[in-house]
This record gives sequence, structure tokens and C-alpha cells, in this order.
Amino acid sequence: GDSVTQMEGPVTLSEEAFLTINCTYTATGYPSLFWYVQYPGEGLQLLLKATKADDKGSNKGFEATYRKETTSFHLEKGSVQVSDSAVYFCALSSGGSYIPTFGRGTSLIVHP
Amino acid sequence: SQTIHQWPATLVQPVGSPLSLECTVEGTSNPNLYWYRQAAGRGLQLLFYSVGIGQISSEVPQNLSASRPQDRQFILSSKKLLLSDSGFYLCAWDRDSGFDEQFFGPGTRLTVL
Repeated sequence: GDSVTQMEGPVTLSEEAFLTINCTYTATGYPSLFWYVQYPGEGLQLLLKATKADDKGSNKGFEATYRKETTSFHLEKGSVQVSDSAVYFCALSSGGSYIPTFGRGTSLIVHP
Repeated sequence: SQTIHQWPATLVQPVGSPLSLECTVEGTSNPNLYWYRQAAGRGLQLLFYSVGIGQISSEVPQNLSASRPQDRQFILSSKKLLLSDSGFYLCAWDRDSGFDEQFFGPGTRLTVL
């Protein structure tokens, strides 16, 4: 079946540092890939997505590129802010199932 | 535009008491609906999903149940809560394509004492 693997957290960074959160997946066919963000006490919200190989999703300074050859969708941001502190979930959705597959989430803590 | 509501926002219940959490979606029709649970510091656990009125699929055996009495209403229930039912409950919806993103509600924080 489909699966998503994210790096373990928490990731702790100083403000303005570079961020990478690794995400790899296994899926049959050609899934859509997503990054969601969850701020404390809130539901998840979509951060960015990519629907085919080599697509780059971007939003709020975050980027991720759909790499089919390495089955990866790593999240990056050039300069993090304290307000980026949250839990980040990588996920995939494929047409063969109604049920999306989520990674376990990676907590990001950004210090001033 | 579409919106998703959950209530209550927080709930404290004694062990053995019943539970009813409600989720409603506005601005779309025939959505797929989902109930997830997050234990403290953990990832998402899918509990139930529904592709239509009266159609419920359970992902994990437990003392919870779900119902979908109307197209855009999804209810999570229990007859007798356990301590282990404590957590953050999230409702979500997506479109019937299998490739689209999910839209999440604000969540309900349930504490069972």
C-alpha cells in the first residue's frame, strides 16, 4: 500500500536559518503530493501541493519539488521565522483510493 | 467558498459518559468526509470516512461510531468514553476525485477524566 515517511522531529532552528524537512513516499501510480501545516491548537491547512513529476509547489516562502526518480517531496524554506513554528505533515493522494496517506508529522520550533 | 465547522471546540467528559461531536460542511455537495484523531504529540489516525449519506467505513476497531445523516453532516459518537479516547478530533472533507487536497475543521479537544 501507499506510505509516507518523514524525518523525525522536533527540528529546532534559529530565526533566518534554512529549513529542510525530508519526505519520501511509496505509491502505486502517480500520486498527488501535499504539505500541510498545523499551528498549535488548530486543524491542518494546505501549505502547498504538486500533482505531477518535476512540479514545484510553493507558498509563503516554502517550496517542495515532486521528484519521481527519488520518490521524494522535501520541504524547504530559505529563512524561517518564529511564526513558522508548527507541525508539518507530508501526504499523498492517489486515484485508486479515497483515503489520503499522511506522514507522522514533523514539529518545527524556531527560536528568535 | 467552502467552510467546515466542528463543535464543540473543547469538551471535558467523565469516563463512561456518552459523546457526540458534530461536523458540518458548507459550500459544496457530496463531499467525502473523514474523522481523524490526534493523541498528544502524535500523528493523524483515521477513524472513519464516508463517501455518501449513510455510508460509513471504519478504519480502526474501537468504542466509537460515526454517522452521516445528511450530505454535509458527519457525527462522531460513543456510548461510553474511555480514558484512551482523549485527544484532538479533526473532521475533514475532500472532493470525489481521489487526487485533491483535504480541508480540515478547527478540531475538538476532548479530555476524558
